[in-house]
Amino acid sequence: SQQGEEDPQALSIQEGENATMNCSYKTSINNLQWYRQNSGRGLVHLILIRSNEREKHSGRLRVTLDTSKKSSSLLITASRAADTASYFCATDFNDYKLSFGAGTTVTVRA
Amino acid sequence: NAGVTQTPKFQVLKTGQSMTLQCAQDMNHNSMYWYRQDPGMGLRLIYYSASEGTTDKGEVPNGYNVSRLNKREFSLRLESAAPSQTSVYFCASSEFLGLGELFFGEGSRLTVL
Repeated sequence: SQQGEEDPQALSIQEGENATMNCSYKTSINNLQWYRQNSGRGLVHLILIRSNEREKHSGRLRVTLDTSKKSSSLLITASRAADTASYFCATDFNDYKLSFGAGTTVTVRA
Repeated sequence: NAGVTQTPKFQVLKTGQSMTLQCAQDMNHNSMYWYRQDPGMGLRLIYYSASEGTTDKGEVPNGYNVSRLNKREFSLRLESAAPSQTSVYFCASSEFLGLGELFFGEGSRLTVL
């Protein structure tokens, strides 16, 4: 069963707006990762945040982690058409294998 | 660098046929994985290999077998394909199990009629 669940399932925004998606998980984790998948392609790693970190930035991406609430958020600022993709959170727990959520599909309108 | 290469990209099988999906990575990674992706289900781990010479079951191993041929190659075999195995299959690799990011191939789209 999936460890992480993304919310919302789908998101449609105007170019230039910010996009925020959330991930909730069930058990304690070592780290949490976010991946992007463009239509018909493989997943690409975006960012990894460790359980002892609260916030991390990478370019236009900002990830937060709240271990007390077992949740994480991914913020994409100043969205572009190229950000249209599905975004997945992935968590590892005691056995170190990654478990992926069902993803958030983001559509950026021109 | 090619990264993770999967073959074939597309395949149509009839129920009961067998086939092998091939995966190779050129990053000298120790760990390799096979996932399947179905609509609304995210990615589910089928089998993984923590290091050369070892393989272990993931979340959904039934109907599949794997071989870690060497450090570079990790194949997935369907012995008797079923329509429920219609899916997109992804191979991935990482430096070590549970350490850092996964690098994914482009996927193999399998249809079982």
